[in-house]
Amino acid sequence: DVKVTQSSRYLVKRTGEKVFLECVQDMDHENMFWYRQDPGLGLRLIYFSYDVKMKEKGDIPEGYSVSREKKERFSLILESASTNQTSMYLCASSPRSWGAENEKLFFGSGTQLSVL
Amino acid sequence: AQKVTQAQTEISVVEKEDVTLDCVYETRDTTYYLFWYKQPPSGELVFLIRRNSFDEQNEISGRYSWNFQKSTSSFNFTITASQVVDSAVYFCALSEMVRGSTLGRLYFGRGTQLTVWP
Repeated sequence: DVKVTQSSRYLVKRTGEKVFLECVQDMDHENMFWYRQDPGLGLRLIYFSYDVKMKEKGDIPEGYSVSREKKERFSLILESASTNQTSMYLCASSPRSWGAENEKLFFGSGTQLSVL
Repeated sequence: AQKVTQAQTEISVVEKEDVTLDCVYETRDTTYYLFWYKQPPSGELVFLIRRNSFDEQNEISGRYSWNFQKSTSSFNFTITASQVVDSAVYFCALSEMVRGSTLGRLYFGRGTQLTVWP
C-alpha cells in the first residue's frame, strides 16, 4: 500500500523554537508538497518540490523553509515558531505528471502543531 | 481571487436524504484537472475522483455522482441516500498545467462540512 508518513501526529512547541516536520514517501514520487490546514481556510500550499534539492514557494511561504536532500524525504522547517503557526500540517506527494487515470496527490495523516 | 470556491461552509441533512456539494472554479488554462477529496474525522484526506478538462461526462460511483459543466465552471458532487458515515469535510480542488506538466500542485477550496444525522 502506498504511503506518505509524517513523523509526528501531535507536536507542542514554544514560541521561538526551531521546528522540523518530517515527511517520507515510499512511492518514488518526484513531487512533494507541504500544506497547512486551518478551519474555514481550507488547505494552503506552503512549499513544494519537484525534484531533489529543488523547491518552490507556494502561496504562504513566509516563516517557513524546506529541505529535500533525498527523493523520498521532504522536511518543513519553522526557523522561529510563532503562535500564528499553530495549525494542521499536511504533507503530500505525487508523480511528476498525471498520465494514468489513478494518479493523484497522496496525503499523509497530518501533524497538528501547537505553538505556545 | 480564489481559484476554487465552495460556497457552502456547512450542510446538515438527515440520513437517506440526497445532498449536493457545490464547487466553482476559475482558470484560464484549457487543460486542467478537478478533484474531490473527503476528510473524515480521522483527518486523512481520501481521494474520491479526478476529472480532466476534456472529459465532461458525468460520473457515477455507487451513491456518489459528479456533474462537470465547463460552461458554468462547476464540478458539483452529489451523494444519494446519504449515510452517517458520509459525515466529513469535502474539498474540491483544481490542478493547472505548469511548464507543460501538472506538477501535481492542487488549489483547494475551503471545504464543506457535511453532517448526516441518523
